Amino acid sequence: ETGVTQTPRHLVMGMTNKKSLKCEQHLGHNAMYWYKQSAKKPLELMFVYSLEERVENNSVPSRFSPECPNSSHLFLHLHTLQPEDSALYLCASSQDLRGRRPYEQYFGPGTRLTVT
Amino acid sequence: AQSVTQLGSHVSVSEGALVLLRCNYSSSVPPYLFWYVQYPNQGLQLLLKYTTGATLVKGINGFEAEFKKSETSFHLTKPSAHMSDAAEYFCAVRDTYNNNDMRFGAGTRLTVKP
Repeated sequence: ETGVTQTPRHLVMGMTNKKSLKCEQHLGHNAMYWYKQSAKKPLELMFVYSLEERVENNSVPSRFSPECPNSSHLFLHLHTLQPEDSALYLCASSQDLRGRRPYEQYFGPGTRLTVT
Repeated sequence: AQSVTQLGSHVSVSEGALVLLRCNYSSSVPPYLFWYVQYPNQGLQLLLKYTTGATLVKGINGFEAEFKKSETSFHLTKPSAHMSDAAEYFCAVRDTYNNNDMRFGAGTRLTVKP
């Protein structure tokens, strides 16, 4: 595997279900991100982890719960979602966030989530 | 906080024609600027980035962008469109002091007509 992988690629869940999205990066990076991509809206940054510590949480509802057990893996745990949570969820990784170097982010293919 | 505006949610060009995708940014500090491309059912892929130095930046697939501070713009161009360029393009800005905060534009969908 190379780059950033995400599983599953598609997920349909009911509002009472609990599911998890998984992201794995094979680039040796130590910062990881979750984004939400909805139609006709800019990407929304949800969570940022640097060196496995959460450094940013952009007022995301508690029904989304991230977990970063190590620098290569990132999870997004989902429970009691709403239909408006249906979107493409993208994971990204980059080099260390410390300092001011302009490290770009590398994205996975995303998980297409549909909440019914 | 910085922000990005992409003018035109949809741009259509003929194969072989010039591609121009517009991006204007707002930032109170010197920005880092990026263009990403997203093909159907895929994640975002970096096309090019501006950090410091030369204001004309060349990227992959024949694309280039020019940083114009006076116009707060970072428009993406390609001299001759190819059918394979059809995709969604995102401009992004990150300020030089906050690595966490990358802001993306709403995207421009490029259609290439034969």
